[in-house]
Amino acid sequence: GIQVEQSPPDLILQEGANSTLRCNFSDSVNNLQWFHQNPWGQLINLFYIPSGTKQNGRLSATTVATERYSLLYISSSQTTDSGVYFCAVFSSNTGKLIFGQGTTLQVKP
Amino acid sequence: EAGVTQSPTHLIKTRGQQATLRCSPISGHTSVYWYQQALGLGLQFLLWYDEGEERNRGNFPPRFSGRQFPNYSSELNVNALELEDSALYLCASSARVGRNQPQHFGDGTRLSIL
Repeated sequence: GIQVEQSPPDLILQEGANSTLRCNFSDSVNNLQWFHQNPWGQLINLFYIPSGTKQNGRLSATTVATERYSLLYISSSQTTDSGVYFCAVFSSNTGKLIFGQGTTLQVKP
Repeated sequence: EAGVTQSPTHLIKTRGQQATLRCSPISGHTSVYWYQQALGLGLQFLLWYDEGEERNRGNFPPRFSGRQFPNYSSELNVNALELEDSALYLCASSARVGRNQPQHFGDGTRLSIL
C-alpha cells in the first residue's frame, strides 16, 4: 500500500519563526490533505492540495505530485500553532485517507 | 453550515461491554468514514460507507461494525470491548467519492475502557 512519511517528527520553534514541514508519499495519489490536530484532539482541515500551491494567511502548501512530495510552510509562528500536523493521501479505490505519523510542533513564547 | 457532528463526546465502558458511536455528516455529503486514533498508533482507517453501503473496511476484527442510515448519518458499533479499544474515534464525511472530494472531520468520541 501507499506509504506516507513526514519530517521532522518533532519541531520546537520560538514564536515568530518560520518552518517547513515535509510529506513524502510512495505512489500516485488522487488527493492530499494537511491537517492540524490541536491539544483537544480536533482535526482541522488546513489544505486540500492534490497539486500546486495554496495560501491561507500565514500558512501555505505546495504539492509536487510528479515528485511525490508536499510541503507545508508556517510563517511568523504563534503559540496557537502548536499541535500535531498530519499529511494524508487519498486513494479513490479504497476510499481511505492514509495518514503520516505527524509532525509535533511546539511554539514557545 | 454545520460541520460533522459526533456523539457522545466521551464514553466510558468496561471490558466485554458494547459501545455505539454516532456521526452526522455535513449536509449534502453521502460518504462517511470512521478512523481510530489510539495512543502511539496514529490514525487508522476503520470503515467507509457510501449511499448506505459498506464500501471498504480497514484491518480491524469483525466486532467493529457499523451502518449508514437513509439520511446518511452513521453508527459505529464495537462489541466485546477490550482495553486496547481505548482511543479517539473520528468520523469524517465527504461529497460523492468519485470526485475525490476532501474529507471533513468531526471532533471525535473519546472511548475509555476500564
